[in-house]
Amino acid sequence: DAKTTQPPSMDCAEGRAANLPCNHSTISGNEYVYWYRQIHSQGPQYIIHGLKNNETNEMASLIITEDRKSSTLILPHATLRDTAVYYCIVELAGSYQLTFGKGTKLSVIP
Amino acid sequence: GAVVSQHPSRVICKSGTSVKIECRSLDFQATTMFWYRQFPKQSLMLMATSNEGSKATYEQGVEKDKFLINHASLTLSTLTVTSAHPEDSSFYICSARATGTEYGYTFGSGTRLTVV
Repeated sequence: DAKTTQPPSMDCAEGRAANLPCNHSTISGNEYVYWYRQIHSQGPQYIIHGLKNNETNEMASLIITEDRKSSTLILPHATLRDTAVYYCIVELAGSYQLTFGKGTKLSVIP
Repeated sequence: GAVVSQHPSRVICKSGTSVKIECRSLDFQATTMFWYRQFPKQSLMLMATSNEGSKATYEQGVEKDKFLINHASLTLSTLTVTSAHPEDSSFYICSARATGTEYGYTFGSGTRLTVV
């Protein structure tokens, strides 16, 4: 199973774009990249996922490099409510299990 | 979207007693559900995979006789912490996946267990 590497913490000014990087250099061709976030004392919340192409939804954009070895989650206009731990996860092929790393603690600052 | 309901959200129990946590998929059927545990300031750790109509699959180091999992229907999985001890105090979270990839995995809101 491919593992991910994320910075432990990041700060972002309110209203600015938050760009959260993730390295997954050992990802295989049939593994998806998922992003979740966890606000304190709540269950993780699904944000977005992708395989090869860039993806966008109402919450965020996901940019995956052409070699698929890294990706970036973009929150276009961060708000205080976006303060959370963000997890980048690669789905184990065929096992339908998510393995959580330590994630990135994003702090949105007024 | 897919919703997973988890109850109770918070429970306090005495050492030696058992606690049951329920996880329901509200608007979809889930043949597989997952149970995680999260200690303070740590990430989620997968405990077991719950399979409808069959035995759960436990991760290494998780005692199956202590953490009983029942998945009797396509919408309900339960985790029972038997003979709870203070070291079992943790945040327990379930998740399930709706058919199709558009929703990813949906998580319950979690259960804060405190054993006193």
